[in-house]
Amino acid sequence: GENVEQHPSTLSVQEGDSAVIKCTYSDSASNYFPWYKQELGKGPQLIIDIRSNVGEKKDQRIAVTLNKTAKHFSLHITETQPEDSAVYFCAASMRNNDMRFGAGTRLTVKP
Amino acid sequence: DGGITQSPKYLFRKEGQNVTLSCEQNLNHDAMYWYRQDPGQGLRLIYYSQIVNDFQKGDIAEGYSVSREKKESFPLTVTSAQKNPTAFYLCASSNRGSSSYEQYFGPGTRLTVT
Repeated sequence: GENVEQHPSTLSVQEGDSAVIKCTYSDSASNYFPWYKQELGKGPQLIIDIRSNVGEKKDQRIAVTLNKTAKHFSLHITETQPEDSAVYFCAASMRNNDMRFGAGTRLTVKP
Repeated sequence: DGGITQSPKYLFRKEGQNVTLSCEQNLNHDAMYWYRQDPGQGLRLIYYSQIVNDFQKGDIAEGYSVSREKKESFPLTVTSAQKNPTAFYLCASSNRGSSSYEQYFGPGTRLTVT
């Protein structure tokens, strides 16, 4: 089955700097790659997603890139703000009932 | 105001007792899921249901049971057979369409068993 690895497990950046989180997946059949943000004590919230027919997607300060050949995808957050501090999860899926999550990255943005 | 609700937010039980976690959605989604989250780990799938009256085991179903009698509701029972039940439990839902994989999560229930 699918296996998703996520790095780094913790990331600390200065406010205004960029943050990059990387994930790799094992199953080339996976075709949907969401990123979730989870604040303390809350459920994960989808922040951006990408499908396998697209190489890059951007939404304001957040972007995701996908390299299908290398089977990795990355989350890029520019101009980070303290409210970006949270745990971020990547996931890979080929169908509804088989979404596999990375272990998460705890991002801290220092003011 | 559409969404997924889970109750209660915190739950405490004694070892050996069964406990049921509630999950309700008003998004008209066909599929619902239960995940377990432990510190430093990703979400792991316990059970999922694609339609009413049908559900399937996920990766870590042992010690858990579910029912899906209504489209809106997918309760999870943590039985005494679950060896390490203390965790954060997340419920999610999604549309069943082949291009609609997005899962919406509830706020979670933190279960502590002592």
